[in-house]
Amino acid sequence: KAGVTQTPRYLIKTRGQQVTLSCSPISGHRSVSWYQQTPGQGLQFLFEYFSETQRNKGNFPGRFSGRQFSNSRSEMNVSTLELGDSALYLCASSLGRDRDSYEQYFGPGTRLTVT
Amino acid sequence: GNSVTQMEGPVTLSEEAFLTINCTYTATGYPSLFWYVQYPGEGLQLLLKATKADDKGSNKGFEATYRKETTSFHLEKGSVQVSDSAVYFCALRRGAQKLVFGQGTRLTINP
Repeated sequence: KAGVTQTPRYLIKTRGQQVTLSCSPISGHRSVSWYQQTPGQGLQFLFEYFSETQRNKGNFPGRFSGRQFSNSRSEMNVSTLELGDSALYLCASSLGRDRDSYEQYFGPGTRLTVT
Repeated sequence: GNSVTQMEGPVTLSEEAFLTINCTYTATGYPSLFWYVQYPGEGLQLLLKATKADDKGSNKGFEATYRKETTSFHLEKGSVQVSDSAVYFCALRRGAQKLVFGQGTRLTINP
């Protein structure tokens, strides 16, 4: 079974631009979560989608948004990029329907650099 | 709220040494507990998990036991290898709530 895939793997953007990252979960997984990883802040939760609905949300500004499609693929958008948005963005998927299916499987991440 | 505290790193050991990385948590109810590992330049990989008290998760020689009485989930390995060098994250999840991570512990194994 194919793992979680993320595209693109690397991205360089300029301050003020916007960016869209994509995540394809493991086949059959209906939950997709997004995380930001930086050396200073560690792993921070952005949001989780389950069956096209946002189920959990972290403490990020409204510039960060996401959505999930009917095939469970998910996109994350960041508008008006700031230098501090430079990070590794990780996507994780899980079956997400009951206690024994919440374990998350991570993709390789998208490395975003904002200049 | 729910939280996870890991021992401060970095941790440096010689090959074949015994490894312990401490992890304690704060949560209401009965969360599921996880250890993830991140190798350089990669995403996180699920290393092991435990979903109820006294469960022992194990994988690739690593073990961790869910201790409700001490709210701990310490990671252990009897004989580490150079290839175990990575960053290790302890995490918990309670029901459908978000996954909560510790700050990570960087482990370096010298030959």
